[in-house]
Parts: sequence; structure tokens; C-alpha cells
Amino acid sequence: EPEVTQTPSHQVTQMGQEVILRCVPISNHLYFYWYRQILGQKVEFLVSFYNNEISEKSEIFDDQFSVERPDGSNFTLKIRSTKLEDSAMYFCASGQVRYEQYFGPGTRLTVT
Amino acid sequence: DQQVKQNSPSLSVQEGRISILNCDYTNSMFDYFLWYKKYPAEGPTFLISISSIKDKNEDGRFTVFLNKSAKHLSLHIVPSQPGDSAVYFCAATDGGLTHASGGSYIPTFGRGTSLIVHP
Repeated sequence: EPEVTQTPSHQVTQMGQEVILRCVPISNHLYFYWYRQILGQKVEFLVSFYNNEISEKSEIFDDQFSVERPDGSNFTLKIRSTKLEDSAMYFCASGQVRYEQYFGPGTRLTVT
Repeated sequence: DQQVKQNSPSLSVQEGRISILNCDYTNSMFDYFLWYKKYPAEGPTFLISISSIKDKNEDGRFTVFLNKSAKHLSLHIVPSQPGDSAVYFCAATDGGLTHASGGSYIPTFGRGTSLIVHP
């Protein structure tokens, strides 16, 4: 069964550094998402991507964040100048149709 | 502002019994509701959903009930099995009312309820 994959599984970075989180969505999916979950809190929407552009973003997704789909398979989230409060699990998701979201296993980002 | 609330952080149930997970919402624009299950070290997995035009949806051992007037939904698992032990997230979306066709329908998640099913 096809699945969403994410790399790395755990990323440790120093405050102020840039990180790129990588995702390979399911191949025939059209909608792509990033979410995050700070420890003990709810899953929060960051951004959605459709037809090669951002279709929706939350208040969390400010200029510090960017997304790219550089080729036909990868979907990346870049976080510039990381802060301690960026430490969280970051989930990528994809879907073929609206309402459908298949989540990856997540990347745990630890900012020290 | 918690638009989707899961007031019970945890629930413990004996194997074979019914598990009932509750969820309340405040946004009357929500018209589609979903339940996700999450195991440790994995992402959330879609479990079951219900549209606001229905009050019940059943899929095997899982049934979701929606009470629109009370802005409340619940997930029933019968019979509960140890493998059901996971965190369950309630989510809601208003996609049919505010987004153009072809856009994304972003669910708002609750904080989750950790279900433990004891053998």
C-alpha cells in the first residue's frame, strides 16, 4: 500500500539555523499539506499546496516558513532561523481529493 | 480558541467493552467531521467521517454519531480491542461553505484522547 514518507525522522538543530524537512507524498495525489504538533498539544495546520502553489496557510505559517515542490515527487518545508518554540513533530500529508489526508510518520524537530 | 474540543485527555476500557470518545465543537459552519487514530511514532490515520447531513455513520466496529443541535459528536468502538489503544483525534472542516472548488479543506483538530484498552 502506498504511503507518505518523511525524512529525517528526527532533526536536531541549533537556534537560528535553517532546516529543510522532506516529504514524498503518494504519487497520484494532488493536495499536499504540512502540519505540526507541539508536544502535548493539538495537531495544527500550517499550509496546503495545490496546483503548484500555496492554496491556504495558517497564521503560524509566516515568512519564516516556505514550501516547495521542486520535482514531481518531493514536497519540502523550509524553516529559516529556527527558534526554540519551533520544536515539534512536523507531519506531511497528501490527498487525491478534498477531505482526504494521508499522513506521513512525521519528523521530530528539536531546536536547541 | 478551541473550536474543536476533546475534554477527556484519556480513557481506559476493558477489552470487549464499548469505548466512547467524545468531541464538541463551537463553529456552526463546520459541515464535515472526521476521526483520526494515531499510534506512537506514526502520523494520524483517517478512521471514519460523517457529513452534517447525517447523524450516524458506521464502519465495522466503529460508529460515529453526530448531534448538530448540541454540536457534539462521538466515536463508538464495539467491541474494543487492545490494538485500538492509540490517540484519537476529532477533526472538523467547513470546506463546503468557504472554499472554492478545487481548493483544500483543512480540518481543525482537537487535542486528542488517549484510549487504552486493557486485555
